[in-house]
Amino acid sequence: DTGVSQDPRHKITKRGQNVTFRCDPISEHNRLYWYRQTLGQGPEFLTYFQNEAQLEKSRLLSDRFSAERPKGSFSTLEIQRTEQGDSAMYLCASSPGLMNTEAFFGQGTRLTVV
Amino acid sequence: AQTVTQSQPEMSVQEAETVTLSCTYDTSESDYYLFWYKQPPSRQMILVIRQEAYKQQNATENRFSVNFQKAAKSFSLKISDSQLGDAAMYFCAYRSAYGGATNKLIFGTGTLLAVQP
Repeated sequence: DTGVSQDPRHKITKRGQNVTFRCDPISEHNRLYWYRQTLGQGPEFLTYFQNEAQLEKSRLLSDRFSAERPKGSFSTLEIQRTEQGDSAMYLCASSPGLMNTEAFFGQGTRLTVV
Repeated sequence: AQTVTQSQPEMSVQEAETVTLSCTYDTSESDYYLFWYKQPPSRQMILVIRQEAYKQQNATENRFSVNFQKAAKSFSLKISDSQLGDAAMYFCAYRSAYGGATNKLIFGTGTLLAVQP
């Protein structure tokens, strides 16, 4: 198992464009999380999937953000009409779902909106 | 709502010396988990150590140990015999232990640790 994989690693986009990020969790991990990390801050929770069901969304996730996890495998996070304030590192994490098990993080996608 | 506070934005330690990173948290829950994560420049978050709130014994992982004070809501990380590879951003994080919760992590703002040779 190669761990949590995120693609792309870096994305530069113009303001107003749409972007989509992909996360491939560790196989058989049924829990998947998206976090956003801005410079000098800790990661902030965005949304959570258990299998294919999106069970929680943070208030940080505005209407321009949407996430999916079809068939409970990989997940995508789309940002529509990007704004400069969306510039951040977007982290994906997965866990097996057991109460005492850690979350495993990917290397993140760094988004820069110019 | 739970919060995690790390009051030391930056710390520095000499190689082979010991350093302690501070973390306090606020919660009304009685059962939870606390974590220290390390984020090297490559940016992949790695778990350093975990503490279950119901356990009185402080967790230890090789050179890393914690001082967990539940009543004071304090959770500090001690790194002994510091190595150059320990240089990274360290995040303290909280997670509820209650069934049905998302088990999302709530992070502090981090402490950037520099290790001087």
